[in-house]
Amino acid sequence: QQPVQSPQAVILREGEDAVINCSSSKALYSVHWYRQKHGEAPVFLMILLKGGEQKGHDKISASFNEKKQQSSLYLTASQLSYSGTYFCGTGSGSARQLTFGSGTQLTVLP
Amino acid sequence: DGGITQSPKYLFRKEGQNVTLSCEQNLNHDAMYWYRQDPGQGLRLIYYSQIVNDFQKGDIAEGYSVSREKKESFPLTVTSAQKNPTAFYLCASSMGLARTDTQYFGPGTRLTVL
Repeated sequence: QQPVQSPQAVILREGEDAVINCSSSKALYSVHWYRQKHGEAPVFLMILLKGGEQKGHDKISASFNEKKQQSSLYLTASQLSYSGTYFCGTGSGSARQLTFGSGTQLTVLP
Repeated sequence: DGGITQSPKYLFRKEGQNVTLSCEQNLNHDAMYWYRQDPGQGLRLIYYSQIVNDFQKGDIAEGYSVSREKKESFPLTVTSAQKNPTAFYLCASSMGLARTDTQYFGPGTRLTVL
């Protein structure tokens, strides 16, 4: 079953913050975050593993709440280059492949 | 430079024709995948392969076929049995099939059926 991402779309001004959520009805083992620009390949951002860890690089970070089976992606002081569609891919149960959410479209305006 | 290449970038097909999309990787990855992406949608898994000469159906395999004769190559054939093939097709690879293995994507092929 596909993870649920929220919101579906968000529009920001440069310098504002955003949070994107990814929720699953199944017990999560891993969450992979990607960003995709229009017509291009998804680019890997980070992976979080079961254990409730938080990771980040630069001004993009993420958390993994094992109890809620949810991961959140935090974009701080957003830049124009952050625009794109963000996908989460989840590894859960006995499945060996990832299942991707439908994406969150982020637009950063000057 | 290591990476994944897909060709062609754009492909037009007439109804009733089979077409083959190419995917090559030089990352020395064991696992390879094919995904389909429709506008406003997420990625849906068509086929995946863990080793040469072995592959598994994903969620939407009907109307598609694959082969894995070489570790580096994982071509996808869209057959005439695929009812609605117009979509963006993405190939990916990873070191293995573990849920912790990062998948790296190619630039994609946009297929349009005329």
